[in-house]
Amino acid sequence: QLQLQESGPGLVKPSETLSLTCTVSGGSISISSYYWGWIRQPPGKGLEWIGSIYHSGSTYYKPSLMSRVTISVDTSKNQFSLTLSSVTAADTAIYYCARDDYYDRSGFYEHWGRGTLVTVSS
Amino acid sequence: VLTQSPATLSLSPGERATLSCRASESVSSFLGWYQQKPGQAPRLIIYDASNRATGIPARFSGSGSGTDFTLTISSLEPEDFAVYYCQQRSSWPLLTFGGGTKVEIK
Repeated sequence: QLQLQESGPGLVKPSETLSLTCTVSGGSISISSYYWGWIRQPPGKGLEWIGSIYHSGSTYYKPSLMSRVTISVDTSKNQFSLTLSSVTAADTAIYYCARDDYYDRSGFYEHWGRGTLVTVSS
Repeated sequence: VLTQSPATLSLSPGERATLSCRASESVSSFLGWYQQKPGQAPRLIIYDASNRATGIPARFSGSGSGTDFTLTISSLEPEDFAVYYCQQRSSWPLLTFGGGTKVEIK
């Protein structure tokens, strides 16, 4: 059974860089046709798609975050990562990693990590 | 932009729930629905407007195309009270979510 687990600091200072890693177990991150994504959710609010990556390294980002976001993949470790620079309080959220399913480029996330809360505060 | 209505739906167990998601432009049938309970990650319920995800009970059904979509729960079970989000993949790789509808116990 595919499992995803987010890890990283729970507290980041304003203007610094947020870095999270998603470790995949129970399946290979290199499997064809599936895309790996990051989604966030500010406390008490809705879901926001941040971006996604293919095992080849192709990346896609939400336009409004593109200048601050980098998603990368390490197939040797079966992990993919998120960095978000110049964070502000507005970036405080639960960050989820996820994988889509059902067909190539479906964009529908069947598999999710449990999420990790990142707070931006001095 | 995906607009969900109502924001909150107050119903009793056994009642029928009808949730709406409206897109600002056509997304064809490329719309999905997620269920989220407090403290949990979202769970995919429906993809491509009407296809139930793996393991989803038959009381959940989705319909619609173009700009207007509906998620119906035929008879609410206690475990169905949650927040539901719609999501479009028509503009893949760019994905967007609606603002959510909370189904609460009346």
